[in-house]
Amino acid sequence: EVQLVESGGGLVQPGGSLRLSCAASGFTFSSYAMSWVRQAPGKGLEWVSAISGSGGSTYYADSVKGRFTISRDNSKNTLYLQMNSLRAEDTAVYYCAKALEDVPGYDAFDIWGQGTMVTVSS
Amino acid sequence: AIRMTQSPSSFSASTGDRVTITCRASQGISSYLAWYQQKPGKAPKLLIYAASTLQSGVPSRFSGSGSGTDFTLTISCLQSEDFATYYCQQYYSYPGTFGQGTKVEIK
Repeated sequence: EVQLVESGGGLVQPGGSLRLSCAASGFTFSSYAMSWVRQAPGKGLEWVSAISGSGGSTYYADSVKGRFTISRDNSKNTLYLQMNSLRAEDTAVYYCAKALEDVPGYDAFDIWGQGTMVTVSS
Repeated sequence: AIRMTQSPSSFSASTGDRVTITCRASQGISSYLAWYQQKPGKAPKLLIYAASTLQSGVPSRFSGSGSGTDFTLTISCLQSEDFATYYCQQYYSYPGTFGQGTKVEIK
């Protein structure tokens, strides 16, 4: 079964850090670009970051550039998002998503994880 | 970034209705347009990509059309499980951007 399972969300104070993980199964992980997409409470979808299948190319939304780092370990079929200098406006459900092809940053997403909630509050 | 605008933002419909949701891009995106369905508390689900290609496993009552700047998602005969929020997404250029969503509610 093709599946993505996120973990690592939680409550963090402003200025703090969190690392999200996304475990993939059921497909050749290294053959596809992966992205993180977030959704603030009651709001729409916002693409956050993407990485190519090899991990050699990474892309970020302006709102997180310089604070978030995307990476992947193809030997472990796992995607990561390191989030530093967190702000209240980063509060959202974070989804990992598989691209249709190895086109990071602008592709449709055919598989999504269940999401992990990140709350930034003092 | 390309701006995607959906209309309407929400509306009410009855089971069996034919419904249409519109998505407009701020510049031409060829056919690089996807539609997603999201139910409360769940992840989005890909319905259509390349403007009109039905994703595997999606019922044939869903269809998409359009190219350039104007696109539509049509549900030919609304079922109870179709009440949800629908999002369009352009993936013509970086960064891929989503519309604000259209909520389909029960009348």
